[in-house]
Amino acid sequence: LAKTTQPISMDSYEGQEVNITCSHNNIATNDYITWYQQFPSQGPRFIIQGYKTKVTNEVASLFIPADRKSSTLSLPRVSLSDTAVYYCLVGDSSGSARQLTFGSGTQLTVLP
Amino acid sequence: IAGITQAPTSQILAAGRRMTLRCTQDMRHNAMYWYRQDLGLGLRLIHYSNTAGTTGKGEVPDGYSVSRANTDDFPLTLASAVPSQTSVYFCASSVSGRDTQYFGPGTRLTVL
Repeated sequence: LAKTTQPISMDSYEGQEVNITCSHNNIATNDYITWYQQFPSQGPRFIIQGYKTKVTNEVASLFIPADRKSSTLSLPRVSLSDTAVYYCLVGDSSGSARQLTFGSGTQLTVLP
Repeated sequence: IAGITQAPTSQILAAGRRMTLRCTQDMRHNAMYWYRQDLGLGLRLIHYSNTAGTTGKGEVPDGYSVSRANTDDFPLTLASAVPSQTSVYFCASSVSGRDTQYFGPGTRLTVL
């Protein structure tokens, strides 16, 4: 299983760009990288998924270097409502649910 | 509204008792999962199912069993609960093993 490592916590101010990096040194060729957001007392919610290079959607960007041993979630212009725990997940693209590993999560606190 | 539901919302259980946590999805997703979330440990996969009729063990399967008799339901059973199974349990589903997972609201279980 590809183990993931993330910073335990990060602080930011409203309007700033936040970058959260996840390390996954043992990522396999078939693995995708997915990021989830979790608010207190709720289940995680999908943010973005990618395999290599850069992926962007309406809420975030995901940067993956060529060696794929790490990935960076970028949140542009954060607001107070972005305060949450962010999880990096490395998963097998074969379609099997077997090889799934959540990181320990990064608590992002956005300050006014 | 389509989605994934869990029951009960919370439960206090005496050690040694049997308990089944229910999970139902109406999105016709093939894959379903059970996670537990403990403070400081993130989400850990207990069991998963790639499709109806099949199940598999995740990272922390001991003390838990699952069944997948049909596409929609994926109950998690604790045959004889122990205090270390006190946790928040999340059920999730996805179209296939590598697709976005949709999480339920969680069940908070306390074993005394």
